Amino acid sequence: SAVISQKPSRDICQRGTSLTIQCQVDSQVTMMFWYRQQPGQSLTLIATANQGSEATYESGFVIDKFPISRPNLTFSTLTVSNMSPEDSSIYLCSATTSGGPDTQYFGPGTRLTVL
Amino acid sequence: SQQGEEDPQALSIQEGENATMNCSYKTSINNLQWYRQNSGRGLVHLILIRSNEREKHSGRLRVTLDTSKKSSSLLITASRAADTASYFCATDLKAAGNKLTFGGGTRVLVKP
Repeated sequence: SAVISQKPSRDICQRGTSLTIQCQVDSQVTMMFWYRQQPGQSLTLIATANQGSEATYESGFVIDKFPISRPNLTFSTLTVSNMSPEDSSIYLCSATTSGGPDTQYFGPGTRLTVL
Repeated sequence: SQQGEEDPQALSIQEGENATMNCSYKTSINNLQWYRQNSGRGLVHLILIRSNEREKHSGRLRVTLDTSKKSSSLLITASRAADTASYFCATDLKAAGNKLTFGGGTRVLVKP
């Protein structure tokens, strides 16, 4: 299994500002992903975080709004840029590990509220 | 649209009873995974069932998979108040590179 930590756990931000969320995994990671969960909804994949190259974004998500970095195998960041109240969501990172390449483990999430 | 659709959307049972929820999907999968989420927190991985498997058990959990019907079920036996949570199925599609598509979730309330 893998233990995934995220920082911050929650934040309240003003409209127009940006927030960077960090994700750290404690074991060898093959894939890392970022998801959004809007209030009362299920999870939607934002992008796959690729080590050393640009992230692969899903339809409806763009790099200018959600820039992602993955400088090494076990760490990634997601920035929510120029925030609006519609960005209020839980943001979760996940990872698959070399020990169990199919099982996807999730971090505790970052609860973002935009005023 | 979401790959997985879950049913029911909400379920209320008494402690000790069994809870069953279903997940249907639309296209071929590598595997299907079930997760639990407590009160908007992180997801806890419960069980993974591969496309060539029909049933798996883990403690009080039993998962079935019927690829001909493109459906899966999660059974929680002898439920406890601590099982109160939202449960999500997620499909790992063939040729999708481990990307998961989530169902809408089932909110389970176990009353003591």
